[in-house]
Amino acid sequence: AQTVTQSQPEMSVQEAETVTLSCTYDTSESDYYLFWYKQPPSRQMILVIRQEAYKQQNATENRFSVNFQKAAKSFSLKISDSQLGDAAMYFCAYRSYGNEKLTFGTGTRLTIIP
Amino acid sequence: EAQVTQNPRYLITVTGKKLTVTCSQNMNHEYMSWYRQDPGLGLRQIYYSMNVEVTDKGDVPEGYKVSRKEKRNFPLILESPSPNQTSLYFCASSLGGIGGDTQYFGPGTRLTVL
Repeated sequence: AQTVTQSQPEMSVQEAETVTLSCTYDTSESDYYLFWYKQPPSRQMILVIRQEAYKQQNATENRFSVNFQKAAKSFSLKISDSQLGDAAMYFCAYRSYGNEKLTFGTGTRLTIIP
Repeated sequence: EAQVTQNPRYLITVTGKKLTVTCSQNMNHEYMSWYRQDPGLGLRQIYYSMNVEVTDKGDVPEGYKVSRKEKRNFPLILESPSPNQTSLYFCASSLGGIGGDTQYFGPGTRLTVL
């Protein structure tokens, strides 16, 4: 079974600075998808970014980018120019190719310091 | 507007009193799923459905039932709730298939079982 590990329960960053959230996963599959979800205080699950394992290029969405290291099974999220609205719980998630189920990590709570 | 809705958003009940949490999506998605979120554990899948009348267990199905009689609806049933089912519940849906489609989450239902 696949597992997803987020080793940083809490992180904090100064406003306008850059922060990187870590995620590692364990799988024997070669084709899969990886996601970062944001959960603000409203509790809504919001997709931040997704990465297809077959793509070598790292995904980018505005201030959010990932560092996908397939051999190391690592999928970190970098948030540039942090804003107060980025404060949230962030979840890393794994999905097999051909299977809709998401396997989540335990989350990292990000605090933005004004 | 494309969305997944859940009702109720908040529910406080007592042990043993049957309850149903409804989930509905308006995107004609084939795949629907229920997750529960607990502190320090992330989100874990309870049940999922690949299509009408097709359901299967996720990682933590004990104490829950589901049904899928219509494509848009996927209710979660707790026939005899217990305090260990106190949690935050999310319904999610996606198009299905092997395309790595994004899952859309409902707003969550906070359940407390006394």
